Amino acid sequence: AQKVTQAQTEISVVEKEDVTLDCVYETRDTTYYLFWYKQPPSGELVFLIRRNSFDEQNEISGRYSWNFQKSTSSFNFTITASQVVDSAVYFCALSEFYGNKLVFGAGTILRVKS
Amino acid sequence: DTAVSQTPKYLVTQMGNDKSIKCEQNLGHDTMYWYKQDSKKFLKIMFSYNNKELIINETVPNRFSPKSPDKAHLNLHINSLELGDSAVYFCASSRTGGTEAFFGQGTRLTVV
Repeated sequence: AQKVTQAQTEISVVEKEDVTLDCVYETRDTTYYLFWYKQPPSGELVFLIRRNSFDEQNEISGRYSWNFQKSTSSFNFTITASQVVDSAVYFCALSEFYGNKLVFGAGTILRVKS
Repeated sequence: DTAVSQTPKYLVTQMGNDKSIKCEQNLGHDTMYWYKQDSKKFLKIMFSYNNKELIINETVPNRFSPKSPDKAHLNLHINSLELGDSAVYFCASSRTGGTEAFFGQGTRLTVV
């Protein structure tokens, strides 16, 4: 069975601080996809990134970066120089390679204070 | 031009009523989903459809019946609503299984 654990329920930081959101997953599949989604206070779910299990290269997109480590089954998300607009719930998710569902973690609430 | 749109955005209804939520996607995707987000923000798959065919029914009560008239639409009908059905229901679509899903804005269902 697949499982995603986001151990950090809530994180509070002050603007401009860097923050890392942890994600640990369990799966018996050798090929799979990992995702991050953002849910701002307005409620919609916004896709941020998809990473396949073959590709362990870190990825950077502006202030966002992702660190995928297959050896530790982790897919962590770092926001550099956080801003108030980054305040949201962030979800990590897992899917089989040709799977028809996302298995979500419980989410991490990020509060960025000015 | 909304990619995945669902209506209504808010739904308040009494216990025992029947209600429907509609979803449409204009992304040309083959796979559509219904997810439920409970009061603790936990997201869980309910149904998955591929080319109008039901692929996943994740132990959802029979009172919930999805219908996909075509690839671009996936509606959710709920019979005999119960207090515990109160949640936010998200429709989503993806190109194929395993690719990123794009979500609608959600329907907040409140059963009183």
